[in-house]
Amino acid sequence: GMPVEQNPPALSLYEGADSGLRCNFSTTMKSVQWFQQNHRGRLITLFYLAQGTKENGRLKSTFNSKERYSTLHIKDAQLEDSGTYFCAAEGSGGSNYKLTFGKGTLLTVTP
Amino acid sequence: NAGVIQTPRHKVTGKGQEATLWCEPISGHSAVFWYRQTIVQGLEFLTYFRNQAPIDDSGMPKERFSAQMPNQSHSTLKIQSTQPQDSAVYLCASSLDVWATQDTQYFGPGTRLLVL
Repeated sequence: GMPVEQNPPALSLYEGADSGLRCNFSTTMKSVQWFQQNHRGRLITLFYLAQGTKENGRLKSTFNSKERYSTLHIKDAQLEDSGTYFCAAEGSGGSNYKLTFGKGTLLTVTP
Repeated sequence: NAGVIQTPRHKVTGKGQEATLWCEPISGHSAVFWYRQTIVQGLEFLTYFRNQAPIDDSGMPKERFSAQMPNQSHSTLKIQSTQPQDSAVYLCASSLDVWATQDTQYFGPGTRLLVL
């Protein structure tokens, strides 16, 4: 299967709602990054995690290397949260520093 | 800190022409990565340099694509004899040091290449 499986492919939320995205990995990964791609196509780094959980404002991300998954939770969704969210994982073997990306989650937040 | 700079932002070429894309990594970053984004394939790794040395080009198409990093302040991705299927957004990223504890990759705005 795909090395990085990201779900859901698309998500619609009303302002103020909470929801989460998830990435499953086919193998053990060293780290994960979460990005938001805005309407101009710019990839904005949200989180880098080698393990555990990080929070930043209304966003929280968890990475469990052993269980091979990572999540991104969005709390109190706002219109400006709309965009495509990607997880990207770095392999744990050898000099495998490249990022392998999920297919993305298209998030639409409506009033 | 201007972040990762990529030029040009948009490029239109005719089939068979050459395209050169430029990337200026964040000052002080030792690792530079190139990725490509298409609707069909999503985001794919192409190649990566560390301290200007090519480390992994496993994602590069074997023909027509080449990348160089002649100095620590810029890298180029060259596509010879461009084909319509090369149309994509080409993204450059840099990180402080892949040996560091947290080697976050920071991405540039991308170059949108259209081959007619």
